[in-house]
Amino acid sequence: KNQVEQSPQSLIILEGKNCTLQCNYTVSPFSNLRWYKQDTGRGPVSLTIMTFSENTKSNGRYTATLDADTKQSSLHITASQLSDSASYICVVSAAGGSYIPTFGRGTSLIVHP
Amino acid sequence: NAGVTQTPKFQVLKTGQSMTLQCAQDMNHNSMYWYRQDPGMGLRLIYYSASEGTTDKGEVPNGYNVSRLNKREFSLRLESAAPSQTSVYFCASREGQGKTYEQYFGPGTRLTVT
Repeated sequence: KNQVEQSPQSLIILEGKNCTLQCNYTVSPFSNLRWYKQDTGRGPVSLTIMTFSENTKSNGRYTATLDADTKQSSLHITASQLSDSASYICVVSAAGGSYIPTFGRGTSLIVHP
Repeated sequence: NAGVTQTPKFQVLKTGQSMTLQCAQDMNHNSMYWYRQDPGMGLRLIYYSASEGTTDKGEVPNGYNVSRLNKREFSLRLESAAPSQTSVYFCASREGQGKTYEQYFGPGTRLTVT
């Protein structure tokens, strides 16, 4: 069964600090991996997408990495801001067939001033 | 350009009541999706519509029906609501079924079934 596991479940950091969120997956055959940001009470918004051949992708202060051999991804947030407080969701889709992605449970990030 | 809109934003139902959640997108996307999000769980696909006129079951379709009314609108119906259907429901759309197309989500509908 396709699975996506994220860690940590929650994280509290001070404003201005960096942090790294982890994602491990067992989706096969792999097609692509996305990171989403979900603010409280809102729908998820895409941050990055990586295919098999890509091992890093940046979007402003967000940098995602992918190791397709070990089936791991990370999302690094640099110089955190209060507005980064949100849930970050890792989503992996398999190749072939219809687009039915597998969602992780998310990491809840709280940035304190 | 509103993106994906959902109505209502909040709803409280009694067990056994029925209701329809509405979703519309103005991006001319072919594919539309309904997900539910429960505390401590990832989003789970209920139904999807790869193109106008087609619908398919996702991971958790039991207790739900859908209608792809036209290219813009995709509704989700609960015929006889149960407390287990208390959740936040998200509608999403994509330009097509290709793997790298972006998926855009609506703001969600919070449903409580008592």
